[in-house]
Amino acid sequence: DAKTTQPNSMESNEEEPVHLPCNHSTISGTDYIHWYRQLPSQGPEYVIHGLTSNVNNRMASLAIAEDRKSSTLILHRATLRDAAVYYCILSFVFYNNNDMRFGAGTRLTVKP
Amino acid sequence: KAGVTQTPRYLIKTRGQQVTLSCSPISGHRSVSWYQQTPGQGLQFLFEYFSETQRNKGNFPGRFSGRQFSNSRSEMNVSTLELGDSALYLCASRTDRRNEQFFGPGTRLTVL
Repeated sequence: DAKTTQPNSMESNEEEPVHLPCNHSTISGTDYIHWYRQLPSQGPEYVIHGLTSNVNNRMASLAIAEDRKSSTLILHRATLRDAAVYYCILSFVFYNNNDMRFGAGTRLTVKP
Repeated sequence: KAGVTQTPRYLIKTRGQQVTLSCSPISGHRSVSWYQQTPGQGLQFLFEYFSETQRNKGNFPGRFSGRQFSNSRSEMNVSTLELGDSALYLCASRTDRRNEQFFGPGTRLTVL
């Protein structure tokens, strides 16, 4: 299984942008890159996903390297509510396989 | 739309007992997946059900089983409980044509 590597923790100041990196050097051509986050005492929450092109949604942006061996989740203006564990996950089949291998994730701390 | 609901939210059992956890997916979602979350192992995929059939299975012993009903509600059963089964059990649902999973709040199982 393709594996992801993320820093254990990161800190950010409120209202500043945050760039959360993820390395996935063994990614295959059919792997989608997903980001989920888990706020304290809650289940994970979908953030964004992509295949090759950069993606934007109301929560964040996903920047994918040209060789797809790394990606970066961008929170444009961090708020205190963004403090969570962020997971970068690869899943190799889009529709009929829900086997998502969560790693340890990055714990994001947002300072006021 | 109501989110994914899980019952009970908290459960205490003793070793050797069995337990059944319940998950009601978002209306219209036919895929339901179960995950186990522990401090040591993180989030691990248990299995996925789609239209009452198990579609994928993680690497867990046969003591862990599940089923899905015609209304897409799902149950997970763990027999002969062990201390190591103490965990947060998360259920997630999605439609079959989108990769975004919606997680419930989880059931916190404590095995004494």
